[in-house]
Amino acid sequence: EDQVTQSPEALRLQEGESSSLNCSYTVSGLRGLFWYRQDPGKGPEFLFTLYSAGEEKEKERLKATLTKKESFLHITAPKPEDSATYLCAVSERGSTLGRLYFGRGTQLTVWP
Amino acid sequence: NAGVTQTPKFQVLKTGQSMTLQCAQDMNHEYMSWYRQDPGMGLRLIHYSVGAGITDQGEVPNGYNVSRSTTEDFPLRLLSAAPSQTSVYFCASSLRTGGYGYTFGSGTRLTVV
Repeated sequence: EDQVTQSPEALRLQEGESSSLNCSYTVSGLRGLFWYRQDPGKGPEFLFTLYSAGEEKEKERLKATLTKKESFLHITAPKPEDSATYLCAVSERGSTLGRLYFGRGTQLTVWP
Repeated sequence: NAGVTQTPKFQVLKTGQSMTLQCAQDMNHEYMSWYRQDPGMGLRLIHYSVGAGITDQGEVPNGYNVSRSTTEDFPLRLLSAAPSQTSVYFCASSLRTGGYGYTFGSGTRLTVV
């Protein structure tokens, strides 16, 4: 069973058309939730960390929010350069591995 | 400040060959890890290290070895390559264990034929 589920798998938006990506998780105690952006042929690039329900972070056209069991990445008025795969990951409280559980990602395409 | 550097970027191996994927970071990060990324699957943890001289297995460790003799370097060794190890490999580091975002390298694309 996946610890982290992202939806949709793929999303196509017209430039300027706002939308949201979803990340739901099943770990019992959340230490942190992370959003990454990955461009083709590159490693994931860190975007945000969220630690507690109600927390929000913003960066340019991106805004990440966190509830008790899911997170949303809101994209406002996207541009073609926002096209990428967005990955969500969580770390579990009490885990000694220090590992992050990654979702499979949402592939976002923004067309002009 | 180069971040996390991985070499090589691309590699083709024959079944049964061995090789080492290199990873180095210059941020004085305690925690380093290796992930593999396969189509349609999330990143999966192979091995990790919480400091020099300390390593442990992750989710998919079979067929791989690691060592951490210095804070900066964390090489991943494939002992006897198999086609199932065809993947993209990412090295990642973070300041400390748990609750901190990772910095990823640019990846090594490995094909085993």
